[in-house]
Amino acid sequence: EVQLVESGGGLVQPGRSLKLSCAASGFTFSNYYMAWVRQAPKKGLEWVATISTSGSRTYYPDSVKGRFTISRDNAKSSLYLQMNSLKSEDTATYYCARLRNWDPDFWGPGTMVTVSS
Amino acid sequence: DVVLTQTPPTLSATIGQSVSISCRSSQSLLHSNGNTYLNWLLQRPGQPPQLLIYLVSRLESGVPNRFSGSGSGTDFTLKISGVEAEDLGVYYCVQSTHAPPWTFGGGTKLELK
Repeated sequence: EVQLVESGGGLVQPGRSLKLSCAASGFTFSNYYMAWVRQAPKKGLEWVATISTSGSRTYYPDSVKGRFTISRDNAKSSLYLQMNSLKSEDTATYYCARLRNWDPDFWGPGTMVTVSS
Repeated sequence: DVVLTQTPPTLSATIGQSVSISCRSSQSLLHSNGNTYLNWLLQRPGQPPQLLIYLVSRLESGVPNRFSGSGSGTDFTLKISGVEAEDLGVYYCVQSTHAPPWTFGGGTKLELK
């Protein structure tokens, strides 16, 4: 059974950092591109970052470029999102998603990040 | 970036009713490889999104066949033939043709009338 479980969310002050993790199981993690997608409270979905199978290629929207870093450890079947210089507008539930042929086909339950003083 | 516009934003239906949701793209989603990477997701209350349909009309494994997708180019439709209670939630279209960035429609909330 495919599983993705995010962790690391919580309350953080503006300007501080937080690192999210996503533990994958039930599939060959190293064969898939992976992504982070977020959803602000009562809002729609926003793509945050994508990483290639080896980790050599990463992609970000302008809204997080230079502040967020996506990475992975294929030996541990784990995906990460390092978030620096956090802003109030980064408050959201962050989902880890598997990409199948570039399409997000499976999502974790999400972890909530609240940026507030 | 590709903008996906979903209509209607809210849809009220009775159990057993058939409904359709539209997703219009600001540019053609036909990829140079001949595929069209337009997918439909359902997010039930308190749950993460789940993939229903990929490549415009292909049903994801385990998804009931009352769901169907159609369209081409810039206009796409999700149809539910006989709404059931478990279908309530927010539907999103998402495109991967011109990714990055991946872009999502604004969502359509399906509720009971």
